[in-house]
Formats: sequence, structure tokens, C-alpha cells
Amino acid sequence: AQKVTQAQTEISVVEKEDVTLDCVYETRDTTYYLFWYKQPPSGELVFLIRRNSFDEQNEISGRYSWNFQKSTSSFNFTITASQVVDSAVYFCALRRYNTDKLIFGTGTRLQVFP
Amino acid sequence: DVKVTQSSRYLVKRTGEKVFLECVQDMDHENMFWYRQDPGLGLRLIYFSYDVKMKEKGDIPEGYSVSREKKERFSLILESASTNQTSMYLCASSFGTGARNTEAFFGQGTRLTVV
Repeated sequence: AQKVTQAQTEISVVEKEDVTLDCVYETRDTTYYLFWYKQPPSGELVFLIRRNSFDEQNEISGRYSWNFQKSTSSFNFTITASQVVDSAVYFCALRRYNTDKLIFGTGTRLQVFP
Repeated sequence: DVKVTQSSRYLVKRTGEKVFLECVQDMDHENMFWYRQDPGLGLRLIYFSYDVKMKEKGDIPEGYSVSREKKERFSLILESASTNQTSMYLCASSFGTGARNTEAFFGQGTRLTVV
């Protein structure tokens, strides 16, 4: 069975703090894809990153970084020096190689206070 | 830029009504999806379509049907709306299959309230 777990329901931080959002996934496939999406208050999910299972290199994009560890089936997302505009719900998702369907976690609501 | 447009941001319907949620994408994507988002449950797939007139059930298809007569348009139909279908509905589209599949692009969502 495929499953994505985001154990943190809600996180609150003060601006400029670093914050890590956890994502743990379950799959028996050897080839799969992992994603992070951001859902701001406007409602539309915004794509942040896609990672395939053969690429365990960590990725950094500005203040955002992702740590993919197959040994622990985790794909964690860190925001450095958080800003109020980072306030949103963040979803981690899994896609099997031979399907086009995304399996989502339950999301983590991040609130960044000034 | 890819654009996925849902016809309504907010809808209020009565129990028993037939409800149509419309979604249009402008990037010639083969795949289109309807998800439902509820607090604590994340996004759950209702139906998806990988080609015109083709559809597959997702995880929670009961009480819903879909229609895809044209590649750019994917409609979600609630045959007889019930209060437990009050939710946020999100449409998405993507290109390609398997390794060629792109990330999914989402619409802004339709918040449906059934009274």
C-alpha cells in the first residue's frame, strides 16, 4: 500500500526562525516520485519540488531545502529564515512510477507570525 | 503558464440537487483529476481521466460521476447532492505518463456547501 504521513498538523513560528516540515512515505515500489506543494489562503496548490527515487541529492532553492532519505523513507522540507508569506498549508505527495495519480499526506499548516 | 480554471469559487446547493463542477485547462494536458479536500484528511482522489471519454475511479468515487467530452474540460457531477459532500473540490491536470509525467497543476478550488 502507498501512504504519505505528515505527522505535524500545525506549526507556529516567529519570523526568521527556521522550520522543518516532516514527510514520511510508504511504498514497495523501487521507482516513485515525491512532491511538495504549497497551498496559500487563496486555495490553489502551488508546485514546489519533484524528486524521483533514484536521486537522493538534497536540493536547495533560495530559503527552501529538501532532505530526501530513502533509508528512513522521509522527504523533509526546511524553510530557512521564515517569512509571513510562508504561511500556508504544505502537502507532501507520492506518485508511483506507472500511474499519474498523486497520493497526498494530510498536510501541515504553517503559521509564521511577525 | 499553465492555467487550470474552475468555474466557481463558492457554491451553495440544496440537498438532492444535481450539481456540476466545471474545470478547464489550457495546456493540452492528457490527464485531469478531481480531488476533494477535507480538514485532517488531506486531498483524496475522486476520479481522473487520461484521455477524452476515458475515466477511472479514484479512492472515493461514490456519489460522483465525471464527464470528459473535450480534452480541455473535465466536469464533476454530484447526481444528488448530500450534506456530506460539503467540501473543497480541487481540479488538476498533468502531462504525460510514467517517467514523462509532469507535476500536476491545480485550479483555485471550489468550496461547495450543501444545505
